[in-house]
Amino acid sequence: GEDVEQSLFLSVREGDSSVINCTYTDSSSTYLYWYKQEPGAGLQLLTYIFSNMDMKQDQRLTVLLNKKDKHLSLRIADTQTGDSAIYFCAEADSGGYQKVTFGTGTKLQVIP
Amino acid sequence: DVKVTQSSRYLVKRTGEKVFLECVQDMDHENMFWYRQDPGLGLRLIYFSYDVKMKEKGDIPEGYSVSREKKERFSLILESASTNQTSMYLCASSSENHSYEQYFGPGTRLTVT
Repeated sequence: GEDVEQSLFLSVREGDSSVINCTYTDSSSTYLYWYKQEPGAGLQLLTYIFSNMDMKQDQRLTVLLNKKDKHLSLRIADTQTGDSAIYFCAEADSGGYQKVTFGTGTKLQVIP
Repeated sequence: DVKVTQSSRYLVKRTGEKVFLECVQDMDHENMFWYRQDPGLGLRLIYFSYDVKMKEKGDIPEGYSVSREKKERFSLILESASTNQTSMYLCASSSENHSYEQYFGPGTRLTVT
């Protein structure tokens, strides 16, 4: 089946840029997503990219997609302590019912 | 704004009890999902539903069942709770008419003792 891989942990200093990486195996992915989960809460959609795009920017967030290498990244500029959370990469394939496969999540720690 | 609500934030049940987790969405979404989240394992799909009274097994359906009698409501049932079902349970919904992004409820932290 489909697989989505992420590193488990990332630590950055406040004000630096954070880059969270993700690789996936499904070559028929249609949409790829980044979700944020704060402690004790559900997942919140941050942004998504359609598979025929290679970049999307939304304020401090930049998503880069390398479809050939099946690699997705999320860059957070000027990282703040409020960005500390778990970030999930996810992909939707072209099959039925819009099932989404999630990665294991990357815990971002921002050091003041 | 899409709103997905779950009936309880925290729940403590005993082994062998029947447990009902309820999820309601207010955006007329066709698709609804139940996941469990465990440290280091990410989100694993238990069941999903693409229409009223329709259901499909996800990756880990054993020990669970679901019910969708109305479009806005999707229930997860633990027929006989066991300690290995202690977890965070997340409900989500999505529309057929958009980029399929899923909207999540706040989660139910279930502890089975």
